[in-house]
Amino acid sequence: DADVTQTPRNRITKTGKRIMLECSQTKGHDRMYWYRQDPGLGLRLIYYSFDVKDINKGEISDGYSVSRQAQAKFSLSLESAIPNQTALYFCATTDLTGELFFGEGSRLTVL
Amino acid sequence: RKEVEQDPGPFNVPEGATVAFNCTYSNSASQSFFWYRQDCRKEPKLLMSVYSSGNEDGRFTAQLNRASQYISLLIRDSKLSDSATYLCVVNRYYGGSQGNLIFGKGTKLSVKP
Repeated sequence: DADVTQTPRNRITKTGKRIMLECSQTKGHDRMYWYRQDPGLGLRLIYYSFDVKDINKGEISDGYSVSRQAQAKFSLSLESAIPNQTALYFCATTDLTGELFFGEGSRLTVL
Repeated sequence: RKEVEQDPGPFNVPEGATVAFNCTYSNSASQSFFWYRQDCRKEPKLLMSVYSSGNEDGRFTAQLNRASQYISLLIRDSKLSDSATYLCVVNRYYGGSQGNLIFGKGTKLSVKP
């Protein structure tokens, strides 16, 4: 089983719909992250959490929200999806050394 | 100036070639450094952590120069399977809108027969 699991892996939705991407990890790490990747733009940070009670906005948090339900779970929500949120989304976790463990990604298409 | 910058690439090299990537960082408070490999449409995976003393893993060698604030990755005897995008990651241990882990945009390597 993967250390970091994302669901769904692929999703096609329509403008205005609410979407939730879920992430769970078995590494026992406190720190979790959501990134977005677009061609030519690299990985951009949406939200991150250093522990269950700590949530921080990343550089592109507008239009997104997160919930840290437990140490192992960190979900990302798009309250009203729009086409420019079409992207590949990665969840990741890390310990204090900074080594990142990524999920396999969730490919979201907003029509 | 971006906090982490990488050679733009793409690097197109023949099999067997030696290729080197550099990554510069601007924040002297940066604490740990990594090279990740990302295949097309896949998640990044750790290639190497980078230590002050330098480290080697088979055909791959990583170096850190704190005085000049850069890290490097050397790949010897390139294989077709080395074709990927290589991401430089710097851990600065504190947050902010970029979080504590700062990514370079990546350098694309294409190894040709």
